[in-house]
Amino acid sequence: DAKTTQPPSMDCAEGRAANLPCNHSTISGNEYVYWYRQIHSQGPQYIIHGLKNNETNEMASLIITEDRKSSTLILPHATLRDTAVYYCIVRVAENNAGNMLTFGGGTRLMVKP
Amino acid sequence: DAGVIQSPRHEVTEMGQEVTLRCKPISGHNSLFWYRQTMMRGLELLIYFNNNVPIDDSGMPEDRFSAKMPNASFSTLKIQPSEPRDSAVYFCASSLRRLNTEAFFGQGTRLTVV
Repeated sequence: DAKTTQPPSMDCAEGRAANLPCNHSTISGNEYVYWYRQIHSQGPQYIIHGLKNNETNEMASLIITEDRKSSTLILPHATLRDTAVYYCIVRVAENNAGNMLTFGGGTRLMVKP
Repeated sequence: DAGVIQSPRHEVTEMGQEVTLRCKPISGHNSLFWYRQTMMRGLELLIYFNNNVPIDDSGMPEDRFSAKMPNASFSTLKIQPSEPRDSAVYFCASSLRRLNTEAFFGQGTRLTVV
């Protein structure tokens, strides 16, 4: 699976949009971009994933650049409960590993009042 | 469904003792993963199972670690003998073995070996 690069930490004001970047310049055509987050003392939680089109669900939006070498996770109205470590993961969906995930260092997002 | 259930939530043991961590995956899921998280190394995949069969155990640190999945609803991770450097939070996750589905994680077991 391709390697990802994320900033180690970011701050965001409560109620504002949080935009978390991820670089994955070596991504292959059959690799998806997944985002998980880990709130303190809890297990990681799935947020969203995409291949090349932008995706939106009830939690967030995922914007993938046209060349697919980077993406941005957007939390439209961040709340204090969104304070967590956010992991961007690139993985091949069509292998025998099922949903095996390789976690990097992630971005520690601090939402401030 | 109650989600992935791990037990115990916390375990404190003395060096040299055997430790067994338990996991009940979500009903119907056929892939199960064990991860370890430490400050120094982050989240590491130890082993995963598909349909109760171990597929890749290359992340298991050494022979002191072993994992079993006797049936679709139960898995164990055993450390024997335990050492202080095994202190970490151990997570179990499960998913459907299908394209583009997410993995669901348990709350983890915090292990302290003194």
